[in-house]
Amino acid sequence: TQLLEQSPQFLSIQEGENLTVYCNSSSVFSSLQWYRQEPGEGPVLLVTVVTGGEVKKLKRLTFQFGDARKDSSLHITAAQTGDTGLYLCAGGEGSYIPTFGRGTSLIVHP
Amino acid sequence: GAVVSQHPSRVICKSGTSVKIECRSLDFQATTMFWYRQFPKQSLMLMATSNEGSKATYEQGVEKDKFLINHASLTLSTLTVTSAHPEDSSFYICSARDLFGGQETQYFGPGTRLLVL
Repeated sequence: TQLLEQSPQFLSIQEGENLTVYCNSSSVFSSLQWYRQEPGEGPVLLVTVVTGGEVKKLKRLTFQFGDARKDSSLHITAAQTGDTGLYLCAGGEGSYIPTFGRGTSLIVHP
Repeated sequence: GAVVSQHPSRVICKSGTSVKIECRSLDFQATTMFWYRQFPKQSLMLMATSNEGSKATYEQGVEKDKFLINHASLTLSTLTVTSAHPEDSSFYICSARDLFGGQETQYFGPGTRLLVL
């Protein structure tokens, strides 16, 4: 079973600060996805990365896939209160079912 | 992006009754759908993989006779919680696998909150 470790598990910051969330595994993934989930709702896909070393930007969010495709990071610049939520990474290998990390719960205070 | 719906969004039932939750892919066909369970402030726990036209594949520790899954068409999968008990109270989320463009992506439904009294 492939395992994904996310860190930190909880993060509480002030609006305007920067933060980075990490997703690590001992296994290689063919693709990795990041989701954001708000309370009482389903996860919403933010990005999919498939190439080792790939960097994708989504406004203030920067996603990076490790060269070896075993890890990924999500960096948020100048966090806003609307960024509050549970951030989940999920890795997939071929047609196998994606494995989810435990998630990082982010709270951005005004 | 693709849309997945769930119905109902929330349900309250008495202990011992059965509850059916529907998951629909609205603008794409999905041969595979997934059912997850999520406890407060925790990640998603995969319960089973629903395959159109065949039996569902259950994860270890999930009772297939209690959580009945039917994937009747390429756009609909149902999860029935039979003889529900208070410990079954949880947030149930489905997702559908979209293979458009050769890149596999999962799209999630909005979830169904189940409360068993």
